[in-house]
Amino acid sequence: SQQGEEDPQALSIQEGENATMNCSYKTSINNLQWYRQNSGRGLVHLILIRSNEREKHSGRLRVTLDTSKKSSSLLITASRAADTASYFCATEANQAGTALIFGKGTTLSVSS
Amino acid sequence: GAVVSQHPSWVICKSGTSVKIECRSLDFQATTMFWYRQFPKQSLMLMATSNEGSKATYEQGVEKDKFLINHASLTLSTLTVTSAHPEDSSFYICSARHPGGGRDIQYFGAGTRLSVL
Repeated sequence: SQQGEEDPQALSIQEGENATMNCSYKTSINNLQWYRQNSGRGLVHLILIRSNEREKHSGRLRVTLDTSKKSSSLLITASRAADTASYFCATEANQAGTALIFGKGTTLSVSS
Repeated sequence: GAVVSQHPSWVICKSGTSVKIECRSLDFQATTMFWYRQFPKQSLMLMATSNEGSKATYEQGVEKDKFLINHASLTLSTLTVTSAHPEDSSFYICSARHPGGGRDIQYFGAGTRLSVL
């Protein structure tokens, strides 16, 4: 099953610009995580935000979480060509030990 | 950091044969592991939850007799695709939950690309 939607499905920007991706989910969550995946490769964990947090930063990444709207956003500032990848949000439900449920993902292309 | 190893990374097999994929937690014990499938240009879909010492829990629509999961030890879960067909060709990814107190991150293997001819 998939938890929610990401938008946009695809995003093309120039190096140096900011990229914003949004994620919506349906059920109550314990935390929400963002992952990156280069074409044909495994997942790289980017950042985790807990349900009682509203914003979190890590380097050029900024994540927000609005539990009332069941949505999150990932902002990548000053993008680089190397940021080109697919980005997925994944939610962990309140029940302990449950699997992550992934959104459909956003494909980001950063051109130099 | 915690590492999950998945093997093989790539396998090609003939239709009708069975393929086993291994998922190992290298530096921690994982009572629970998860198996996902990803078709090209799509997201990860949860297939099943693998519990050490007990039967796996399969998601709706996933055939348990086709996708056999064995979690015989605290560091190893295996997924066997039985009687593989071309439509089983996909990217299979496992993950393991670190049992450390307060740690919520799941660690993912690098994935196995299965091509069934």
